[in-house]
Amino acid sequence: NAGVTQTPKFQVLKTGQSMTLQCAQDMNHEYMSWYRQDPGMGLRLIHYSVGAGITDQGEVPNGYNVSRSTTEDFPLRLLSAAPSQTSVYFCASSRTYATNEKLFFGSGTQLSVL
Amino acid sequence: AQTVTQSQPEMSVQEAETVTLSCTYDTSESDYYLFWYKQPPSRQMILVIRQEAYKQQNATENRFSVNFQKAAKSFSLKISDSQLGDAAMYFCAYSSPGGTSYGKLTFGQGTILTVHP
Repeated sequence: NAGVTQTPKFQVLKTGQSMTLQCAQDMNHEYMSWYRQDPGMGLRLIHYSVGAGITDQGEVPNGYNVSRSTTEDFPLRLLSAAPSQTSVYFCASSRTYATNEKLFFGSGTQLSVL
Repeated sequence: AQTVTQSQPEMSVQEAETVTLSCTYDTSESDYYLFWYKQPPSRQMILVIRQEAYKQQNATENRFSVNFQKAAKSFSLKISDSQLGDAAMYFCAYSSPGGTSYGKLTFGQGTILTVHP
């Protein structure tokens, strides 16, 4: 009953460092996405994928890369971390990319960039 | 672009009482979906309720119900018989139907709900 698993739960980076946030789901979901949550701004979509090999940008994609080589995994890469990327990051998946589908969220990654 | 506004940063309610959280949205589309998600201190996002715009009947899920006013672009959440476990941040969210929307959600800013024993 794992659902959507995100690692790590907490991370501190220095400006300019790179890292990858991991996301895996075991529900054979077609659709996966990454959101960031900032105080007073709700959640904003970074990137999404409608299937293996297919990704696209969301509302705030700058500074982030994604790939989807398998149905299960959807890692988010920060190429050169900046303090503006300090946030809580959520991975989410749904059975299909139909917009009325329930999204299943991971437990989030708290990222601080110093 | 669609926007979602939650004008109440914080709300509080006594246990067993009823509370209503407000949400308004801006869209030019006639068909869409609206959601309320709950985020307890554990940070886990949980779907509370979902409404399809073409359905006139307000959605209900046990103690949770919505008041959907399409013309006013309003989508409030009513929590009846509030429980301590209802304390959380609540997010209202909007989704366009099909096309290139691909499951994208636009979230409001969130409302922190405190439940007093």
